Amino acid sequence: GQQLNQSPQSMFIQEGEDVSMNCTSSSIFNTWLWYKQDPGEGPVLLIALYKAGELTSNGRLTAQFGITRKDSFLNISASIPSDVGIYFCAGPLANTNAGKSTFGDGTTLTVKP
Amino acid sequence: DTAVSQTPKYLVTQMGNDKSIKCEQNLGHDTMYWYKQDSKKFLKIMFSYNNKELIINETVPNRFSPKSPDKAHLNLHINSLELGDSAVYFCASRASGTVNTGELFFGEGSRLTVL
Repeated sequence: GQQLNQSPQSMFIQEGEDVSMNCTSSSIFNTWLWYKQDPGEGPVLLIALYKAGELTSNGRLTAQFGITRKDSFLNISASIPSDVGIYFCAGPLANTNAGKSTFGDGTTLTVKP
Repeated sequence: DTAVSQTPKYLVTQMGNDKSIKCEQNLGHDTMYWYKQDSKKFLKIMFSYNNKELIINETVPNRFSPKSPDKAHLNLHINSLELGDSAVYFCASRASGTVNTGELFFGEGSRLTVL
């Protein structure tokens, strides 16, 4: 089946540093979604991208939908301790059941105060 | 009020037992899902129901049987539990207006431990 390759697998950073993570696939996606999962909780949607080339910000978060529709990145600026968690990229493949989102393997972020 | 709620949050049981996890959403969504998150944190879709109708059924052992009595509820029953069933099971729902975007709202998860 299709696969979302998410990198890096984990990151250990100092508070205040900027963070960048990305997702790539060999398949085209209609939508790229970035979720964050806090420890002991379910994933929560951070940013949704709908068009190729789209660049969207949400506070300190910025995400882009790649022109080829096969990749996306998420940047976090000036990280703070509450940014700790697992970040997932996800989305429905083009020309498939729109309700079936595939998830990347996640990037685990640790922020040291 | 919690939008997507699952019970129980924790479940510890012996191999061979049968157990159920319940999910309810008060968002008015038409589509609900079960995802499994393993020890490596990978999230894999198991089932999806739209208006009580099964629309996605991934390669899941038939010991797992979802049931949707109405569009606000999706329960998961697991027969003859095995050690490998230990995981966190997430219920999720999707808004009707997001047919092409796939945005999901997740519950807090139900951690199942099979001994």
